[in-house]
Amino acid sequence: QVQLVQSGAGVKKPGSSVKVSCKTSGGTFSTNAFSWVRQAPGQGLEWMGQIMPLYGTANYAQKFQDRVTITADEVTTTVYMEMSSLTSEDTAVYFCAREEFLYDSSGSHSGPAFDLWGRGTLVTVSS
Amino acid sequence: EIVLTQSPGTLSLSPGETVTLSCRASQSVTSNYVAWYQHKPGQAPRLLIYVASTRATGIPDRFSGSGSGTDFTLSISRLEPEDFAVYYCQHYGDSVWTFGQGTKVEVK
Repeated sequence: QVQLVQSGAGVKKPGSSVKVSCKTSGGTFSTNAFSWVRQAPGQGLEWMGQIMPLYGTANYAQKFQDRVTITADEVTTTVYMEMSSLTSEDTAVYFCAREEFLYDSSGSHSGPAFDLWGRGTLVTVSS
Repeated sequence: EIVLTQSPGTLSLSPGETVTLSCRASQSVTSNYVAWYQHKPGQAPRLLIYVASTRATGIPDRFSGSGSGTDFTLSISRLEPEDFAVYYCQHYGDSVWTFGQGTKVEVK
């Protein structure tokens, strides 16, 4: 059974950085894309960026372009999200998700979606 | 960048009722790359619908999606107790994913 296993919760000081990991077990790795999504307390889901390990290049939501780096390690089949210059507004649960191009049984309807998610990592930014 | 606006923000309903959630895009969506997710507190989001109207594997047929262009809907017929959650629509285009702000379906 394919799973995304995320690293544990943590508390960070304002101004510091955090690196969250997401290890995949089973399934393909290099040819899938993986995204990071966060949910701040009382807020909705917010897409941060994605990476396809095969190509190694990531793209980001404009909001996170300058502070977030997403990387992938094909040897350990792990995806990472690193965020710098943390503030209290970065307190959130961070999810990794696998992007898959899905097909219905007839093959006539197909499209991308996040079909598998990690359980989330709570990052608390507090002095 | 396309903005997705979901309405209403919250719905108070009873089990057995039917509900329709709306997701409106700020501009026409190409290829109908719209998905819907169910999210419960403390859990990972769950994919319900992709490409606007196709149910994901294992999703009961009381969930249905429809729409095209700028207007998309998720319908849930005969609400079960486990259906009370927050629902998000999502779009993919130009290498960017966007979520709507969510609709909470709560017990009346």
